Amino acid sequence: DQQVKQNSPSLSVQEGRISILNCDYTNSMFDYFLWYKKYPAEGPTFLISISSIKDKNEDGRFTVFLNKSAKHLSLHIVPSQPGDSAVYFCAASGDTTSGTYKYIFGTGTRLKVLA
Amino acid sequence: ETGVTQTPRHLVMGMTNKKSLKCEQHLGHNAMYWYKQSAKKPLELMFVYNFKEQTENNSVPSRFSPECPNSSHLFLHLHTLQPEDSALYLCASSNEGLAGGQETQYFGPGTRLLVL
Repeated sequence: DQQVKQNSPSLSVQEGRISILNCDYTNSMFDYFLWYKKYPAEGPTFLISISSIKDKNEDGRFTVFLNKSAKHLSLHIVPSQPGDSAVYFCAASGDTTSGTYKYIFGTGTRLKVLA
Repeated sequence: ETGVTQTPRHLVMGMTNKKSLKCEQHLGHNAMYWYKQSAKKPLELMFVYNFKEQTENNSVPSRFSPECPNSSHLFLHLHTLQPEDSALYLCASSNEGLAGGQETQYFGPGTRLLVL
């Protein structure tokens, strides 16, 4: 059973518009959430994170929103640029029942920004 | 060299071969991880090492054998693999335990493995 879900496998957005990528989670113990970007033939690159004590974190064009009651987070990219075309992974951590802080990843959303 | 490096970048091996994947981190981190990424699946954590000690083995088959000689190097020894083990193997590192679990993991570029 997937604890972190990215229900949209792909998304296409026009350059200059807003991209919104969504992520849902089921484990209420998660308290730290991250977004990674992955280009083909490269490893995931850390983009932005948010702690559960916040509901918003902003870094330049990237903003992550966290809705704890809905167990939902989203990544907003504005304005979107062609170089943002990549696969975006959502990850969550905080469940320490196994003794370590494991990341649980979603399956990714492929974003294509059209010029 | 900066960040997390992995060699080789690509590997093709037969089911009877023995090979090793290497990871090196230049970030001064104390924890290192092996992940497996198969097509259309989430990244799956395989192993965690913290200060050279294995702290997590995520029910990985024994044909995968990790080794962590020091906090900067991590190996994954492979033997008698199956075709379904073909995947992208990613190494990551972080400063485990210093921020109450809110440490960011930094990934290497991965080794694309094909088992024939």
